[in-house]
Amino acid sequence: GQNIDQPTEMTATEGAIVQINCTYQTSGFNGLFWYQQHAGEAPTFLSYNVLDGLEEKGRFSSFLSRSKGYSYLLLKELQMKDSASYLCAVRDKDSGGYQKVTFGTGTKLQVIP
Amino acid sequence: ETGVTQTPRHLVMGMTNKKSLKCEQHLGHNAMYWYKQSAKKPLELMFVYSLEERVENNSVPSRFSPECPNSSHLFLHLHTLQPEDSALYLCASSQDQRDTQYFGPGTRLTVL
Repeated sequence: GQNIDQPTEMTATEGAIVQINCTYQTSGFNGLFWYQQHAGEAPTFLSYNVLDGLEEKGRFSSFLSRSKGYSYLLLKELQMKDSASYLCAVRDKDSGGYQKVTFGTGTKLQVIP
Repeated sequence: ETGVTQTPRHLVMGMTNKKSLKCEQHLGHNAMYWYKQSAKKPLELMFVYSLEERVENNSVPSRFSPECPNSSHLFLHLHTLQPEDSALYLCASSQDQRDTQYFGPGTRLTVL
């Protein structure tokens, strides 16, 4: 099984930088995803990490440390439209050998003026 | 614009009704998924179809029945649901089970 932890809520100021952490415990780790989900909408893919290090994509970056079971999503130059839930999801193999993606509960980010 | 569509977008049904949710992906993917999203809970994987093989979450009640007639279409048949089944039902697809999943807009289901 898996245990994925991320903060429930965060608040940050427009124009600032915010870091959303995700820790996980799993065997057979095979990748970590970050998704953005606005209220009432479907999740949209942001980033994918399978190797240690930082992946940068515009204002968003994602970091992974497999040895620590830790990832973070970094959002720079925050905009009001970044107010959303950010979901951390971990892929591994379940007991039947199937690839399985498990989602965390999400971090609700509120960007304030 | 994710290339994954779902119908209907909203559904209200009684506990004795039978209805079906439909998902279609236009991305040429080989794997499709049904997820349930309830308030303040993580996304719950219900079913996976990959190259016509079905993998299911054993905790999903039998009142939910998936059907995957081909790699582009996925259905979720609903019968004798309970009020606690009210949730957002999301369909997703990926090239294969190792790849990024792309989500449809979801069906907001309310069971009265």
